[in-house]
Amino acid sequence: AQKITQTQPGMFVQEKEAVTLDCTYDTSDQSYGLFWYKQPSSGEMIFLIYQGSYDEQNATEGRYSLNFQKARKSANLVISASQLGDSAMYFCAMREVSYSGAGSYQLTFGKGTKLSVIP
Amino acid sequence: DAGVIQSPRHEVTEMGQEVTLRCKPISGHDYLFWYRQTMMRGLELLIYFNNNVPIDDSGMPEDRFSAKMPNASFSTLKIQPSEPRDSAVYFCASSFRTRSETQYFGPGTRLLVL
Repeated sequence: AQKITQTQPGMFVQEKEAVTLDCTYDTSDQSYGLFWYKQPSSGEMIFLIYQGSYDEQNATEGRYSLNFQKARKSANLVISASQLGDSAMYFCAMREVSYSGAGSYQLTFGKGTKLSVIP
Repeated sequence: DAGVIQSPRHEVTEMGQEVTLRCKPISGHDYLFWYRQTMMRGLELLIYFNNNVPIDDSGMPEDRFSAKMPNASFSTLKIQPSEPRDSAVYFCASSFRTRSETQYFGPGTRLLVL
């Protein structure tokens, strides 16, 4: 089973509107982290937002917020007031603890959602 | 502050040649990761280091791939010999052991093996 599922291969949103990008995850760990990254056409991976599994409040970073529903194992990204520069691929990722070596972690990525902002 | 630096940004080589990708992590970061991104397989973790020591290389596809981190500010990923199926974007990322352990990515190296 996939650990990170992004069901929307592509999304369109009108400029200045809000959009929600879906992400569901699968883990048996109690402690984990969830991340969203943006990859514009230029190719770089840009960190957007982080949510820890024990965080009681949804994370927010400027126009980005993470709608964290732990019981449903979902971590949807909400972008408010979309801008043309938001057009990009968006990846959801999960950090789980790896018990190898330094006890660090693996970061597993979903397949991404391509967001297109329409003027 | 400088982010993660990778070189070269683009590499075109012929099958059978040796390819060396380079990475300089963010100063002070103690974890370094190598990823590969392809259309078919998405983003895959190849190997990661902690304090210059390889911790998990289970993602390295085969013996043709090797990675080293001789010091805290430099790492290499080598492919020898290269094959057309190695064509991909290779990312280096680094992180510091904070609560979130966010990984910050370099710009990537776009490799094309002919």
